[in-house]
Amino acid sequence: QVQLQESGPGLVKPSQTLSLTCTVSGGSISSGSYYWSWIRQPAGKGLEWIGRIYTSGSTNYNPSLKSRVTISVDTSKNQFSLKLSSVTAADTAVYYCASALYYYDSSGVYYYNGMDVWGQGTTVTVSS
Amino acid sequence: EIVMTQSPATLSVSPGERATLSCRASQSVSSNLAWYQQKPGQAPRLLIYGASTRATGIPARFSGSGSGTDFTLTISSLQSEDFAVYYCQQYNNWPSWTFGQGTKVEIK
Repeated sequence: QVQLQESGPGLVKPSQTLSLTCTVSGGSISSGSYYWSWIRQPAGKGLEWIGRIYTSGSTNYNPSLKSRVTISVDTSKNQFSLKLSSVTAADTAVYYCASALYYYDSSGVYYYNGMDVWGQGTTVTVSS
Repeated sequence: EIVMTQSPATLSVSPGERATLSCRASQSVSSNLAWYQQKPGQAPRLLIYGASTRATGIPARFSGSGSGTDFTLTISSLQSEDFAVYYCQQYNNWPSWTFGQGTKVEIK
């Protein structure tokens, strides 16, 4: 079973770039067909999907964050990363990484089975 | 962007009773809906995908139904470990996914 672990600075100054890494263990980040996602949750609030990267390296981002977000993958380290630029206090949150399997059957029908593996989350505070 | 609206915000239920949670999409998401459970200090856990398919290891007391814009998560007989916050999430609106604001299930 794949396991995920977030890491990165817990404190970022306003206007700087938040950088987090998710390390994948128990499996290869480049095998199979997976979405590797980032999700965040401000204290006491709901979940916000930030974006994802495919095993192929393609990315999709939340339109509300798209101009500031970059998600990338480092297959040699079995990691994927999040960069969020020009942060403000509104970006203070717990940041989670998660994975989801998708596939196409022999008839070309697409299947997606939800984000079934999550990291434990890492708290990032934006403050001077 | 598809907006997901969950109701009620808080649901007070006694152990052993049935809980019914609702999730409504601002436009059709077909059956492309998942439910997650989150306990304090923990990451969310996938319960249901495809609107009605239980994820691996999820007890049968959890069931999902609905399609289009209206969805329901039912917990048939609440156990102590089921008191948590539940989120619905649509994955039909490619490429952007959105979550509902959550329903907190608390002990009555």
